[in-house]
Amino acid sequence: EIVLTQSPGTLSLSPGERATLSCRASQSVSSSYLAWYQQKPGQAPRLLISGASSRATGFPDRFSGSGSGTDFTLTISRLEPEDFAVYYCQQYGSSPLTFGGGTKVEIK
Amino acid sequence: EVQLVESGGGVVRPGGSLRLSCAASGFTFDDYAMSWVRQVPGKGLEWVSGITWNGVSTGYADSVKGRFTISRDNAKNSLYLQMNSLRAEDTAFYHCARIPASYYYFYYMDVWGKGTTVTVSS
Repeated sequence: EIVLTQSPGTLSLSPGERATLSCRASQSVSSSYLAWYQQKPGQAPRLLISGASSRATGFPDRFSGSGSGTDFTLTISRLEPEDFAVYYCQQYGSSPLTFGGGTKVEIK
Repeated sequence: EVQLVESGGGVVRPGGSLRLSCAASGFTFDDYAMSWVRQVPGKGLEWVSGITWNGVSTGYADSVKGRFTISRDNAKNSLYLQMNSLRAEDTAFYHCARIPASYYYFYYMDVWGKGTTVTVSS
């Protein structure tokens, strides 16, 4: 099973700042089959990134994903108030599907 | 509007059973594989099970294999999760989610329902 470790656990930033979230896999994720989700309190997760870098419909270009192999990054170039949420990574390159433990981006 | 609405959650004793349902609308249900993902409140996400568009192929997490059964009824645009021999550690919020592929239940999920709560307690 591929274990995904997200860091930091909590990121305290101010609106306008840059957020860099890390997702590290215990083994190489084949074909960059890595997704990112955003979850706000009381809401379902929402697909943000698939294939490590393809942004989902509805998300602005301040969100970007990068990486390959075992190291992946989600970057939010300038935080907007609506971006404060929990972000999860997920790999779908090998069985079983696994998720990271999440990074909470909170307002400083 | 694309929508997934789960139902069937509740409180059940250890060893008991529950059947979750997920009603899909706003898209052609049988064009998509589907999955169930659970979340302990305040904790992370855990993939539970997935099923291809025609129900021929299914997959399960080791933690539920042999106890849970996923199924679908394309005529009713519905996904199900039969949960037997429930344990305290199955207590979670259960989300139904759409997979943007037909033949792979092993993929990412592009639409999620809000979920239904399952509590296993004596």
